[in-house]
Amino acid sequence: EAQVTQNPRYLITVTGKKLTVTCSQNMNHEYMSWYRQDPGLGLRQIYYSMNVEVTDKGDVPEGYKVSRKEKRNFPLILESPSPNQTSLYFCASSPPGTGKNTEAFFGQGTRLTVV
Amino acid sequence: DAKTTQPPSMDCAEGRAANLPCNHSTISGNEYVYWYRQIHSQGPQYIIHGLKNNETNEMASLIITEDRKSSTLILPHATLRDTAVYYCIVRVRLVAGKSTFGDGTTLTVKP
Repeated sequence: EAQVTQNPRYLITVTGKKLTVTCSQNMNHEYMSWYRQDPGLGLRQIYYSMNVEVTDKGDVPEGYKVSRKEKRNFPLILESPSPNQTSLYFCASSPPGTGKNTEAFFGQGTRLTVV
Repeated sequence: DAKTTQPPSMDCAEGRAANLPCNHSTISGNEYVYWYRQIHSQGPQYIIHGLKNNETNEMASLIITEDRKSSTLILPHATLRDTAVYYCIVRVRLVAGKSTFGDGTTLTVKP
């Protein structure tokens, strides 16, 4: 089954304690991206990657890092989490191109609380 | 990137067609119109996308005006399970490249 898997689904942590949210896709997609969603708002992009070792900032990259060492994995790293990073996080992947069968697949989300 | 404008909320009777509008007056020639929906706080789900021609799939139809400045997503026979937030996004590519979503339209399908 084609899927994007995020772990963990829920996480409560303390300010300043480094954490990593993993994202893995089994569709051999080149493109991957991370978003955050705050209550009542749409998704805001954090970082995206067009292929292995190719990453770029989205609209809200401050306080986050990413890496793309393998095609299937795109972890999101919070080196020193702060309460304003409490949010719902989504990972997405898609193949290149814009025609049919190039839609993005999203993970089920990671709900992060920083206290 | 083109900005989109969607009504914040809409209601639809079960079994009737739901027509969700989206304005994107600053769309560029190579930008596609994408529609996704999000049920509760689950991951967004792809519905349909198009460049300039009308498109139809098993979920919905997408009608794009000739000048491409607006579009309408049509769910032909809405069910209670179609209650969700619907996002219209205009981009060349959705995942690769900046692609922040707007606030979308909350569609409530009523019995």
